[in-house]
Amino acid sequence: ELKVEQNPLFLSMQEGKNYTIYCNYSTTSDRLYWYRQDPGKSLESLFVLLSNGAVKQEGRLMASLDTKARLSTLHITAAVHDLSATYFCAVETQGGSEKLVFGKGTKLTVNP
Amino acid sequence: DTEVTQTPKHLVMGMTNKKSLKCEQHMGHRAMYWYKQKAKKPPELMFVYSYEKLSINESVPSRFSPECPNSSLLNLHLHALQPEDSALYLCASGEGPWNEQFFGPGTRLTVL
Repeated sequence: ELKVEQNPLFLSMQEGKNYTIYCNYSTTSDRLYWYRQDPGKSLESLFVLLSNGAVKQEGRLMASLDTKARLSTLHITAAVHDLSATYFCAVETQGGSEKLVFGKGTKLTVNP
Repeated sequence: DTEVTQTPKHLVMGMTNKKSLKCEQHMGHRAMYWYKQKAKKPPELMFVYSYEKLSINESVPSRFSPECPNSSLLNLHLHALQPEDSALYLCASGEGPWNEQFFGPGTRLTVL
């Protein structure tokens, strides 16, 4: 059974600082996704990572994937208040099943 | 059009009621999903309709039943729900080489 673990679950950081969120998963998978969720809102797709060594960047966020280590990271550079949200990684179960297993989420709070 | 729409946005129902949640997508995707999300928890997959085939999360009780009238619509019929079924119900659609899932705004359900 695929298990997805994120850490930290809660992250409070100052504006302008850098930090990394980690996502580990237990079995081989072809695809990993990062989503953002604001309070009371739905999920917004941030990144799709498809292969070992994949790196994608959008603004102050950069995501990477190491399929051998079964690890993805979401790196935040020079955080700003608008990045405050909950970030989920999700892993697709093997074989193109289209079924996602989500991590527990990381609640990020960026303080002025 | 990259939007998934859900109606209603909010629903309050008694345990003896029958209601339906509706989801529509116009992206031509061949897979649609229902997720349940409790407060401060990740989304949990309930059902997948992919290429006219239904996949069910076996832990979902029979008081929830999906219906896919056509490839752009996915309904979730609710009957004899329990208060613990109160949650945000998210619909998503997806397809393509990335299998990226796009989420609707959700229906916030309260069962009294």
